[in-house]
Amino acid sequence: AQTVTQSQPEMSVQEAETVTLSCTYDTSESDYYLFWYKQPPSRQMILVIRQEAYKQQNATENRFSVNFQKAAKSFSLKISDSQLGDAAMYFCAYRSSGSRLTFGEGTQLTVNP
Amino acid sequence: DAGITQSPRHKVTETGTPVTLRCHQTENHRYMYWYRQDPGHGLRLIHYSYGVKDTDKGEVSDGYSVSRSKTEDFLLTLESATSSQTSVYFCAISVHRTGSSYEQYFGPGTRLTVT
Repeated sequence: AQTVTQSQPEMSVQEAETVTLSCTYDTSESDYYLFWYKQPPSRQMILVIRQEAYKQQNATENRFSVNFQKAAKSFSLKISDSQLGDAAMYFCAYRSSGSRLTFGEGTQLTVNP
Repeated sequence: DAGITQSPRHKVTETGTPVTLRCHQTENHRYMYWYRQDPGHGLRLIHYSYGVKDTDKGEVSDGYSVSRSKTEDFLLTLESATSSQTSVYFCAISVHRTGSSYEQYFGPGTRLTVT
């Protein structure tokens, strides 16, 4: 079974600085997808960014980018120019060729003014 | 906004009572999911559906059943609620994107407390 591990239960960053959230996963498959979701205090789950395993280029979405290391099974999220609105719980998720997602335990990000 | 609503948004119930949570989507997506979220566990899949009357179990399905009699509605039932089922429940749909990629979008969640 696939597992997703987020080893940082909590992280903090100063406003306008950069922070990186870590995620590792375990799989024997070669074709899969990885995601980062954001959950603010409103509890809504918001898709932040997606990475296809077959793509070598790291995905970017505005201030959010990933560092995808397929051989190391690592998928970190970098948030640049952090804003107060980035404060949230962040979840890493994995999906293989089926439709089911496996989530990590989450990292609580605090942004300090 | 993926057009997903959940009802009720909050519910308090007593141990041993049946509870049904409803997920409604407006865009006719084939795949729908129920997750529960608990501290330290992230989101865990309870059941999912890949079409009307087509459902399958997830990793934490014990004590739960589901039904999907029409595309837009996916119901989660706790036949006899227990305190261990106190949780936040999320419904999700799977939306096809470019290539073979699918993305899941979530409803607002239902906070269920079993006393």
